[in-house]
Amino acid sequence: EAGVTQFPSHSVIEKGQTVTLRCDPISGHDNLYWYRRVMGKEIKFLLHFVKESKQDESGMPNNRFLAERTGGTYSTLKVQPAELEDSGVYFCASSQGVNTQYFGPGTRLTVL
Amino acid sequence: AQSVTQLDSQVPVFEEAPVELRCNYSSSVSVYLFWYVQYPNQGLQLLLKYLSGSTLVKGINGFEAEFNKSQTSFHLRKPSVHISDTAEYFCAVTGTYKYIFGTGTRLKVLA
Repeated sequence: EAGVTQFPSHSVIEKGQTVTLRCDPISGHDNLYWYRRVMGKEIKFLLHFVKESKQDESGMPNNRFLAERTGGTYSTLKVQPAELEDSGVYFCASSQGVNTQYFGPGTRLTVL
Repeated sequence: AQSVTQLDSQVPVFEEAPVELRCNYSSSVSVYLFWYVQYPNQGLQLLLKYLSGSTLVKGINGFEAEFNKSQTSFHLRKPSVHISDTAEYFCAVTGTYKYIFGTGTRLKVLA
């Protein structure tokens, strides 16, 4: 069974540009989550989808971040326009129930 | 609100020695507890979890953890570490679906 996949693995962009991160959850997992780790800090929750619906987006930093989940399958996280403080590692996770989450390898975003 | 404290940011230990990585949490509700490991250039891998039942939980790669409700701790242990255990370890707690993570502990196993 394939795990959670994320694309790209790395992204380097200039301040003010747009970046879109993609996450493909484990097949059959209705729950999808985004987290972010800024260098040296803890991994922080961004939002939670159940199928295509956003259940909780309380962790989204501001309105420059937009997450979508098309047809309850893969999800994208768009940052527009990117700022320096958006640099970090973005993790996606999925779960069948709500207890045990399986994480992807992460996307390392660097904003210059 | 919930919080997690990983008391040690870095732990150096010699190969074949025992190790304990500490994790304390605070929560006003019942929680589920997890340890994840991130090997260099890889994603987060689930090591073990406590959902209910026995307070001693065994995970992959010879790791185990003990849930101590009175001390609000969930320390991770391994009796004999290998070079390959060098990684960053994260403790996480959740009452529902939102994981709260600690800041991570870098385990460095020395030859």
